[in-house]
Amino acid sequence: DAGITQSPRHKVTETGTPVTLRCHQTENHRYMYWYRQDPGHGLRLIHYSYGVKDTDKGEVSDGYSVSRSKTEDFLLTLESATSSQTSVYFCATVTGLAGGPGNNEQFFGPGTRLTVL
Amino acid sequence: DAKTTQPNSMESNEEEPVHLPCNHSTISGTDYIHWYRQLPSQGPEYVIHGLTSNVNNRMASLAIAEDRKSSTLILHRATLRDAAVYYCILRGTLTDSWGKLQFGAGTQVVVTP
Repeated sequence: DAGITQSPRHKVTETGTPVTLRCHQTENHRYMYWYRQDPGHGLRLIHYSYGVKDTDKGEVSDGYSVSRSKTEDFLLTLESATSSQTSVYFCATVTGLAGGPGNNEQFFGPGTRLTVL
Repeated sequence: DAKTTQPNSMESNEEEPVHLPCNHSTISGTDYIHWYRQLPSQGPEYVIHGLTSNVNNRMASLAIAEDRKSSTLILHRATLRDAAVYYCILRGTLTDSWGKLQFGAGTQVVVTP
């Protein structure tokens, strides 16, 4: 457990409205990630951050933006939510990559279930 | 990117061992083999990882073939709590230079009392 919390845990919204999901971690981990999980697709990376104000796109970034103004918070924003963004969203962190990009554990939050009507 | 192949599902009786295979024939020399699992309605959790040698921890054992083209996750005594989707993932300099994970479909483990 890396002290990762996500808020809200559940949200129902309407098409066209903006939505922001928050990921908060207490372990001062440098790297943070947002994934979405849909039936038949497994988990897919949306965006990631390798430091404060340093972010980059993942494989399914269209329609999403992120911000990281503090080490502990990584925000995911849907500027104008669509029904295709109905999903479960997971935030994750790693302690660091000093041991090599493959030699570390990734910790996941409990997830946010988002429904866009 | 190097890919992994896992069976869609496996069934086991409670308190018996479970051997979960994973094929990764295109693995590179710097790729670590990772296993994560996801219990129902929860986020994925780390299980174990290794590079060349077999690894043991409190949750499981990881047996890596000598040519590293396959591996097996071993749950020594399955419990009902081990019912989950298990993901075998390769991680290394080329596959996830920023620590990203690439998930496949995983293996659904069903444990029968």
